[in-house]
Amino acid sequence: GQQLNQSPQSMFIQEGEDVSMNCTSSSIFNTWLWYKQDPGEGPVLLIALYKAGELTSNGRLTAQFGITRKDSFLNISASIPSDVGIYFCAGPPTSGTYKYIFGTGTRLKVLA
Amino acid sequence: GAVVSQHPSRVICKSGTSVKIECRSLDFQATTMFWYRQFPKQSLMLMATSNEGSKATYEQGVEKDKFLINHASLTLSTLTVTSAHPEDSSFYICSATSAGRTEAFFGQGTRLTVV
Repeated sequence: GQQLNQSPQSMFIQEGEDVSMNCTSSSIFNTWLWYKQDPGEGPVLLIALYKAGELTSNGRLTAQFGITRKDSFLNISASIPSDVGIYFCAGPPTSGTYKYIFGTGTRLKVLA
Repeated sequence: GAVVSQHPSRVICKSGTSVKIECRSLDFQATTMFWYRQFPKQSLMLMATSNEGSKATYEQGVEKDKFLINHASLTLSTLTVTSAHPEDSSFYICSATSAGRTEAFFGQGTRLTVV
């Protein structure tokens, strides 16, 4: 079935550093969503992208919808300890639905 | 944003018993709700789609007789894990949406432990 692969799988960074992660698919998506999940909690939406090439920011977070529609990138600038968590990309494999498949996740740890 | 709440947040049950998990949309009417399962250190996997007033649609490999889903009102969907076994222990998460919204909103999850 369809799969969203995220890289890196995990990363340790120093506080204040910038972070980049990406998500790739074997098929086209028309919506890309980026979520953050804290331990024992549900995912929280960070950024939603709806158009190929779109670049959207939310505070220190910036995400881009790849021009091929098969990938997306999330950047976090000047990381802080509370950025720790798991970041998932997600999207509906079928346009117009809310049935999401989730990526494999990127586990971020920030060293103070 | 819209608020989706799950109850309970944690539950422990004995093997062989059934347990019900509730998913409520608090400030909007959810025509569609989704149930996901997440095992430790893994991603979320969609189990089923629940439409208000109709039968749930299950993803391949999910046993509909084991995971009973009811969406009797526009603000409540329930997932009942029947005859629970230790391998059913997992984190169950719901999401909810309605027509005209651009995305679905997630609950805080329910940690089920079967002993």
